[in-house]
Amino acid sequence: EIVLTQSPTTMAASPGDKVTLTCRASSSVKYMYWFQQKSGTSPRLWIYDTSKLASGVPNRFSGSGSGTSYSLTISSLETEDTAAYYCQQGRTYPPTFGGGTKLELK
Amino acid sequence: EVRLVESGGDLVQPGRSLKLSCLASGFTFSNYGMHWIRQAPGKGLEWIASITNGGTYTYYADILKGRFTISRDNARNTLYLEMTSLRSEDTALYYCAREYYELSYYFDYWGQGVMVTVSS
Repeated sequence: EIVLTQSPTTMAASPGDKVTLTCRASSSVKYMYWFQQKSGTSPRLWIYDTSKLASGVPNRFSGSGSGTSYSLTISSLETEDTAAYYCQQGRTYPPTFGGGTKLELK
Repeated sequence: EVRLVESGGDLVQPGRSLKLSCLASGFTFSNYGMHWIRQAPGKGLEWIASITNGGTYTYYADILKGRFTISRDNARNTLYLEMTSLRSEDTALYYCAREYYELSYYFDYWGQGVMVTVSS
């Protein structure tokens, strides 16, 4: 089973800040997927195939990475971006998720 | 519009059974693999089971130790999860999710979730 480790677990940032969340895999996964989950709602696909934005995702978000190291970056944080973000790999079974990063406003 | 609507959640005693349903609409259900993913209160996401589009193959998380069974009825556009010998650690919000596969497997649509509470 591929283990995904996200860091940091919790992060506080101010509006306008550049924010980077990371996800490291225990083995190479080729592609990474990210989900945004706001409090009390279902997870929503946010970034797919490492760097492609899902429908409706603002272009201040970007994804990058390869091999075992991936990141999600917000170029200029907005208040609506506060949420939990989870990475997920689907290269091998079982599909696995990272533990999540909770992004809060400072 | 793709919709996944779970139902069947309840408060049950340890050792009892429960069956969840997920009604799909807005897409050709029989073309897609489907998954169940759960989230314990205040915790992260945990994949628990999947089934191929025709229902031929099923896969489970090792931690379930054979207690859960995933199935589907393509004529009714419905996914199921039968849970037996429930334990307190099974308490969670259970989501059904549609699988999309191109370069890797991922989950492009999720239901709203259904709560299962296991407690005496």
